[in-house]
Amino acid sequence: EAGVTQSPTHLIKTRGQQATLRCSPISGHTSVYWYQQALGLGLQFLLWYDEGEERNRGNFPPRFSGRQFPNYSSELNVNALELEDSALYLCASSQAGGPETQYFGPGTRLLVL
Amino acid sequence: GQSLEQPSEVTAVEGAIVQINCTYQTSGFYGLSWYQQHDGGAPTFLSYNALDGLEETGRFSSFLSRSDSYGYLLLQELQMKDSASYFCAVPTSGGYNKLIFGAGTRLAVHP
Repeated sequence: EAGVTQSPTHLIKTRGQQATLRCSPISGHTSVYWYQQALGLGLQFLLWYDEGEERNRGNFPPRFSGRQFPNYSSELNVNALELEDSALYLCASSQAGGPETQYFGPGTRLLVL
Repeated sequence: GQSLEQPSEVTAVEGAIVQINCTYQTSGFYGLSWYQQHDGGAPTFLSYNALDGLEETGRFSSFLSRSDSYGYLLLQELQMKDSASYFCAVPTSGGYNKLIFGAGTRLAVHP
């Protein structure tokens, strides 16, 4: 069974640009979660999508947004990039209603110059 | 508010036993999860305790006391490959279906 996949693995952008990160969940999982992990720090919850709808978001500004497609894959968009957005962005998926066992992808490392 | 506290670093030697504690303060508690993350890697799920008591999975065990808002991860027969960061996390529900993670405990296993 294929795990959670994310692309790209690395992304370099300059301040003010937009970044788009992609995630494909494990087959059968309908929930997708996005987390930000700054270097050496813990994971901060960004967004939760389930059945194509945004169900909840963390304490991040509106320039962090995303969507979930009919095939349950998801996209995270970060507009007007700032230097402090440099981090590892992790996507996780779980079965509907099961946040307690989330399976993580390898992440996208975003560097904002 | 919601918060989890765990030690920032733990050091141990190969073959030893180490316990990583986690205390939490949340609303709508549903259970405590543990994740392992090696440097440069993604977090991997280790265990989930919804009920009080000890859950054993091979060399790793996890304990929960809901009345004390406390849990721990117990790693036995430590191996060098166990050197990693360990995060406790709690899911919230009631419309807030997300994991709140602790800051992580960095475990260093020495020969």
